[in-house]
This record gives sequence, C-alpha cells and structure tokens, in this order.
Amino acid sequence: DAGVIQSPRHEVTEMGQEVTLRCKPISGHDYLFWYRQTMMRGLELLIYFNNNVPIDDSGMPEDRFSAKMPNASFSTLKIQPSEPRDSAVYFCASSLVGIYEQYFGPGTRLTVT
Amino acid sequence: AQSVAQPEDQVNVAEGNPLTVKCTYSVSGNPYLFWYVQYPNRGLQFLLKYITGDNLVKGSYGFEAEFNKSQTSFHLKKPSALVSDSALYFCAVRDVGNTPLVFGKGTRLSVIA
Repeated sequence: DAGVIQSPRHEVTEMGQEVTLRCKPISGHDYLFWYRQTMMRGLELLIYFNNNVPIDDSGMPEDRFSAKMPNASFSTLKIQPSEPRDSAVYFCASSLVGIYEQYFGPGTRLTVT
Repeated sequence: AQSVAQPEDQVNVAEGNPLTVKCTYSVSGNPYLFWYVQYPNRGLQFLLKYITGDNLVKGSYGFEAEFNKSQTSFHLKKPSALVSDSALYFCAVRDVGNTPLVFGKGTRLSVIA
C-alpha cells in the first residue's frame, strides 16, 4: 500500500484566500484524523471521522475551518478565509479498528502571507 | 481524560551510548501506549506500541520501550544510539475504545558523533 497520501505538500497563499487540503487514507482503514502541528502548540487534533462520518470536531479552531469525507478514500480540510495564523503543517492519519495505531501522511506545509 | 507527558524537551546523547526518552501517562482504564518518530519535513512514523502482555516491547530501528504500570511510565530506550536517530519523538496514549491518540509535546533527540 502507498500509505496515507496528502496533497499538496506545500501551499503558499495570501490572506483571505480559500485553501483546500486533500487526503487519501490507507485502503480499508475506517478512521481518518486531521491534525495541525505548530512550534507553539505542538500536535493538535482537529477532527476525526469514522466510516466517513465526523465523530468529533471540537478541535476545529474556528468556523473558517471545515472538513468533509465524501467517501472512504478521500477527505478534504478547507480553510476559508485563510489567515497568517493558520500557517502550520497539517497532517492526515488513518487507522483501522483492531490495529490501534494511526498511520500518518507526509503532511501539507501551509504558509499564509 | 487521558493525557501524556514528556518531561524533557531535548535529550542529548553521544553516539554509541544508550538513550532513554521519558514518557508518563494518565488514563482512566488500561492504557494503549505508542511511540512515534518524526524526521525533519516528514510525517510521524509509528515505532512501537504496548497493548497488553510483556512489559518490554520491541519496535523498529532497534528501539524498545518498557511499560511500568506502577509508575505510569512508558520510556523509550535504545542500547546504542546512532546519529541517524536524531529526530523528534512523540509518546501517545489512548484509552479503551476507538478514541484518537493523545500525543505528548515531543522530545527532540540529538545524537552527537
């Protein structure tokens, strides 16, 4: 398996623009997680899905953030409008009931100027 | 609520010496414990896990970790450090069920030649 795939790997955008981050989980995994990593706050869980259904979005920082999982092989995290403080590395991870650990993608480094 | 603490932000060790990266946890039930490693500009890579059974678990790249229930600790160890082990290490815990992993703030390991 190719592992968790994220795109783009790098995104540079101007404040106020819409940003869409994409994730393809490992085939067969039924949990998908979105994390944000910054030097100041470390690794934060934003939202997670089970069988394409959002289970907990309490980590989403503001209404500007939204996430969807239209099918088992694709998820998006959208920021609209983006702000400089959204600059971070965003990770997607997936897991399967019974294997316990999560597998992470390579991340998307977002820079908002 | 579950939590994990990594008391050291930075650990320095000479190449060839044994290394230990510390982790303590707090959960209401039986813990599921994990170690991940993150190399620069990469995602988190799963190293090892403790679910049940033998308190000493072995993982990738020669790493091992010892589960100590009385001290609520899960320290990561390696008998002989390599320069290539230099990275950011995260301890994580989950409680029973399919809740997301809760990560520590990370410990930066620097192995000096």
